[in-house]
Formats: sequence, C-alpha cells, structure tokens
Amino acid sequence: AQSVSQHNHHVILSEAASLELGCNYSYGGTVNLFWYVQYPGQHLQLLLKYFSGDPLVKGIKGFEAEFIKSKFSFNLRKPSVQWSDTAEYFCAVNTPYGGATNKLIFGTGTLLAVQP
Amino acid sequence: DAGITQSPRYKITETGRQVTLMCHQTWSHSYMFWYRQDLGHGLRLIYYSAAADITDKGEVPDGYVVSRSKTENFPLTLESATRSQTSVYFCASSRTGAPDEQFFGPGTRLTVL
Repeated sequence: AQSVSQHNHHVILSEAASLELGCNYSYGGTVNLFWYVQYPGQHLQLLLKYFSGDPLVKGIKGFEAEFIKSKFSFNLRKPSVQWSDTAEYFCAVNTPYGGATNKLIFGTGTLLAVQP
Repeated sequence: DAGITQSPRYKITETGRQVTLMCHQTWSHSYMFWYRQDLGHGLRLIYYSAAADITDKGEVPDGYVVSRSKTENFPLTLESATRSQTSVYFCASSRTGAPDEQFFGPGTRLTVL
C-alpha cells in the first residue's frame, strides 16, 4: 500500500533559522505531491503542490519544496522561519487507486514550533 | 463566499449513540471527502463521494455511514459511537477527480465518552 513518511514529528527552531522538513513516499508510479499547513485552531491550507515540470516548487509564504524522484522525496524548505510559521505541516501524495484519482494519502504531520 | 462549513464544531456524546456530522460546500465541487485526524496517524480518509448519490469507502470506513443526496451536502453518521471514534473530523472538497487541491473545512472535534 502507498504510504507517506514524515520523519520529523516535532521540530523546534528559533526565528530566522532555516527549515527543512522531510517527506518520503512509497509509490513507484506517477505521483502528485502536496504540502498542507494547519495553523493552531485552523483548518488545513495548501502550501504548495507538484504535478509535473520543474521539480523545485515555490509556494506561499516563502516556502518551497523539491521533488527528487530517485529518492522518492518531497522535502519542504524555508530559508528563514518566523514565529507565525508555528503550525503542523502535512505532506500528502495523490495516487490513482480505487478508481478515483483524487484521493490523498497524508503523512503523520510535523509539528513546528518557532521560538521568538 | 462561505466555502466549506462543518457543524457542529464541537460535540460530546456517549458510547452507543448515533451522531451525524454535517458538511456543506458552496462551490458546487463534485468531490467531497471525510477524514479523521488522530495523533500519530495524520489524516485518514473515511469516505469520499464523486458526485451526488455516488460514495465509496476510504481507508477507515468501519462504523461510519455517509450519504450525498445533494451536491453541496455530505453528512457523516456514526451509527453507534465508540470511544475509538473520538477524533477531529475534517470534510474536504475538490473540483474534479483529477489530481487537484482539496479544500478543507474547519473540522469537528468529537468526543465519545
């Protein structure tokens, strides 16, 4: 079965530090990849997505992610985090299974706490 | 633009009771989804619907029932709630069945005593 792994469960950084959150998936075929963010008390919002083309994807709020097919990875990065980036981050993979292609498989999430 | 709404936002119930969580979207999106979010598991798909009157099971459907008589509504029913169904439930929608962004509602926090 397809799966998504996020190895960092809890990350604590100081403001201005650089961020990299790991995401690996297990599906060997064509995938579409997403990073969602959930700010405290809020619903999930899309940060960025990769469908095809340039493997370096830029999203909102200065986030970017790089798709490395050979490593089955889609790591999220931000050069300089802010206190307002404190949130839970979810990597998700969309794979065509069960007849409906738009089913997402989520990782377990990474809780990021940014200290001012 | 109301988007996608869920009600109630918080619910406490007892084991064995029937509970229905409501989801309403104003975009006329074809696809709708129900997820549960649990610590250590992320979000897991319970059921999804490709259109009115078309529903299918996701990863964790046991103990849940859905219906979709109208495009805009996708209620989730726990027929006989159990403590293991204590969770945060998110409804989502997307325009198409092709790879696309899913838009999430604010969630319902359900506690089963």
